[in-house]
Amino acid sequence: EVQLLESGGGLVQPGGSLRLPCAASGFAFSSNDMTWVRQAPGKGLEWVSSITTGGGSTYYADSVKGRFTIFRDDSKNTLYLQMNSLRAEDTAVYYCAKGGWMEVWGQGTTVTVSS
Amino acid sequence: DIQMTQSPSSLSASVGDRVTVTCRASQGIRNDLGWYQQKPGKAPKRLIYEASTLESGVPSRFSGSGSGTEFTLTISSLQPEDFATYYCLQHNSFPYTFGQGTKLEIK
Repeated sequence: EVQLLESGGGLVQPGGSLRLPCAASGFAFSSNDMTWVRQAPGKGLEWVSSITTGGGSTYYADSVKGRFTIFRDDSKNTLYLQMNSLRAEDTAVYYCAKGGWMEVWGQGTTVTVSS
Repeated sequence: DIQMTQSPSSLSASVGDRVTVTCRASQGIRNDLGWYQQKPGKAPKRLIYEASTLESGVPSRFSGSGSGTEFTLTISSLQPEDFATYYCLQHNSFPYTFGQGTKLEIK
């Protein structure tokens, strides 16, 4: 069974940093592109970033470009999202998803940016 | 960027009704579209991919159609567990974009 487990969320002050891991199991992690999606409170879904196999290519939404970095450790079957220079508008539930087509999602981790 | 315009934003219907949700892309995306269902407090679940292919285990009352710029999700006979929010997603080109969502409520 495919499982994705995000962690690392919490309360952070504006300008701060967080790193979100997503532990994957039940599938060939290294053979799959991976994606992060977020959902602000009471709002819709927003694609954040995707990474291809081997980390060869990365893609970002304009809203996070230059502040967030997606990377992966295939030896640990783990996807990461490094978030720097956080803003109040980054407050959201962050989901990782299998594939560029987002076929399976984790349960999400909540990030709150507030002073 | 490709904009996805989803309609309606909300829909009130009864058990047994047939409902249709539409997504319109601002430019052609072939069939690079998925439909997702999200229930409160839960992660989205993919129902349909490649515009019309039903995900394994998804009831056959769900169907998708369309190609290019116009896409529809149809639920042929609403069941109580179908009341949720539905999103379309285009993955034809980056940045990937979701529709605004359709909240399906019980009448």
